[in-house]
Amino acid sequence: DAKTTQPPSMDCAEGRAANLPCNHSTISGNEYVYWYRQIHSQGPQYIIHGLKNNETNEMASLIITEDRKSSTLILPHATLRDTAVYYCIAPGSGNQFYFGTGTSLTVIP
Amino acid sequence: KAGVTQTPRYLIKTRGQQVTLSCSPISGHRSVSWYQQTPGQGLQFLFEYFSETQRNKGNFPGRFSGRQFSNSRSEMNVSTLELGDSALYLCASSFGVPYNEQFFGPGTRLTVL
Repeated sequence: DAKTTQPPSMDCAEGRAANLPCNHSTISGNEYVYWYRQIHSQGPQYIIHGLKNNETNEMASLIITEDRKSSTLILPHATLRDTAVYYCIAPGSGNQFYFGTGTSLTVIP
Repeated sequence: KAGVTQTPRYLIKTRGQQVTLSCSPISGHRSVSWYQQTPGQGLQFLFEYFSETQRNKGNFPGRFSGRQFSNSRSEMNVSTLELGDSALYLCASSFGVPYNEQFFGPGTRLTVL
């Protein structure tokens, strides 16, 4: 399992794009990167995952650098409901999802 | 499709007692993972079951155990409860490798007095 590093907190203005970075410099070639978020006292919510290509779904976009040592989760038009803790995880070949401290995103009106 | 369900949602126990928590995964999912979340330690992986076998285990004492049934439903048990076991216990299910996206239930809030 690759160790991931995220900034502890970020602010974003409502309606603007929120760009959440994650460093996973020890990731191996076949390890996916997953993003989850957790709104206070609820179970974590799956957002998106990727291996080497950029990915987009209805919630977000995931940009993975060519060397795969870092990635950025993009929420294109942040709303107040996007205020949450965002976790970047690289579980490896097993299925052990180790959640770090994540990034606490606050969307400001 | 119904999501992951956990029962009970809230539980109060006293030190020394034991507790059993239940998790019903999304239909078709064969992997169930358990996590403990506390304010001090964050989200910590307990163990994962796949096809009734424990496949991965986190760094928790033997008082924490689990099992999975043939219908993929899972239970976790904590014996000899301690005050520090007060936490939100989360269950997540997935199809399993290579489809590892985990979907979480709402959790069981355990309070140990």
